[in-house]
Amino acid sequence: GQNIDQPTEMTATEGAIVQINCTYQTSGFNGLFWYQQHAGEAPTFLSYNVLDGLEEKGRFSSFLSRSKGYSYLLLKELQMKDSASYLCAVRDNYGQNFVFGPGTRLSVLP
Amino acid sequence: SAVISQKPSRDICQRGTSLTIQCQVDSQVTMMFWYRQQPGQSLTLIATANQGSEATYESGFVIDKFPISRPNLTFSTLTVSNMSPEDSSIYLCSVFVEPYEQYFGPGTRLTVT
Repeated sequence: GQNIDQPTEMTATEGAIVQINCTYQTSGFNGLFWYQQHAGEAPTFLSYNVLDGLEEKGRFSSFLSRSKGYSYLLLKELQMKDSASYLCAVRDNYGQNFVFGPGTRLSVLP
Repeated sequence: SAVISQKPSRDICQRGTSLTIQCQVDSQVTMMFWYRQQPGQSLTLIATANQGSEATYESGFVIDKFPISRPNLTFSTLTVSNMSPEDSSIYLCSVFVEPYEQYFGPGTRLTVT
């Protein structure tokens, strides 16, 4: 089966660092993706991991451990505009299927 | 990158009717997906619509209820047939550009009364 877990909600303070975790159990694996979705808008691509380790892209970093079925998204120097839902998704072996986690709603407080 | 437009952006439909949602991409892409997103929820994949082949439906979704067309590499339609209030949702199309970028349309907000 396919199962992806994320915390439902998180709160952090402007300027701080927050880590959003994602655990997955899927029948195949061909990459893990993170998306940001502001309320009422479409998701936008943030990051991609297919090998173990850390990928850094500006204030955002994403980590993957395939053996543990675990990833996290790290957001540094939080800004108010980072308040959004963050979706973790796994692509299967055949590349034809994306399974999305439930999403984590992040609130950044002043 | 890819820019995607969807029509209509929203609609209110009566039970038992059908609605066809159009998805237009500004570049040629092979892999296209249709998703459903309930308010406040995550995305659920309905089907994969690759040009030149029949759409592949995920568990819980059938062609009779959600027929899909993919006549070329820039366009697709999803029809929601014989609608019921449970079909009220946001429907999004997306395209995947190898090796890892997925772009989403703005979504179609459907309300069934």
